Amino acid sequence: SQKIEQNSEALNIQEGKTATLTCNYTNYSPAYLQWYRQDPGRGPVFLLLIRENEKEKRKERLKVTFDTTLKQSLFHITASQPADSATYLCALALNTGGFKTIFGAGTRLFVKA
Amino acid sequence: GAVVSQHPSWVICKSGTSVKIECRSLDFQATTMFWYRQFPKQSLMLMATSNEGSKATYEQGVEKDKFLINHASLTLSTLTVTSAHPEDSSFYICSAPLREAFGEQFFGPGTRLTVL
Repeated sequence: SQKIEQNSEALNIQEGKTATLTCNYTNYSPAYLQWYRQDPGRGPVFLLLIRENEKEKRKERLKVTFDTTLKQSLFHITASQPADSATYLCALALNTGGFKTIFGAGTRLFVKA
Repeated sequence: GAVVSQHPSWVICKSGTSVKIECRSLDFQATTMFWYRQFPKQSLMLMATSNEGSKATYEQGVEKDKFLINHASLTLSTLTVTSAHPEDSSFYICSAPLREAFGEQFFGPGTRLTVL
């Protein structure tokens, strides 16, 4: 079956540390992999996109890696801040005759001051 | 960045009535928009792909006669929940890609639907 798996348990870290979130998928061949941030009661906000032929992408304090052999992406937030506390969603962009994006369940991140 | 709006932001209706939710791309044109539903503490579930000028493509298990989608212009898609029931209560969110259909998505703020 097709699945996107993210850590279901919340991740609690201390301010200033690096948060690492994991996204694993099975039986998909995504063209792109994306990460979004979602705050309670809000729509997701796009953070980063990485293509299938890219290994790593960075944007300010964010870094994403993509291993198509392992079917895994890691999302890192360095020098984390309490304002980074949110739910982070992994998303796969699929071309199945039509284009669509499907989401993992997300990982809740809490950054303590 | 691109802005997507939704209206209303919340709605409460009686069982059996129909509710229309609008999704607008404010500063760009979107030939494709996506509709998602999200239950508390769960992920976004893709319901359908809305295509401007043609029929929507529904995901497996989504009733097209219950969730009517119309994409009449390049900036507006509507989702109508017909004969709503309490189990339809959820958070409905639309999105639109700015460039490539499978590139970054810009999401609306969502519509909280409560069916009594």
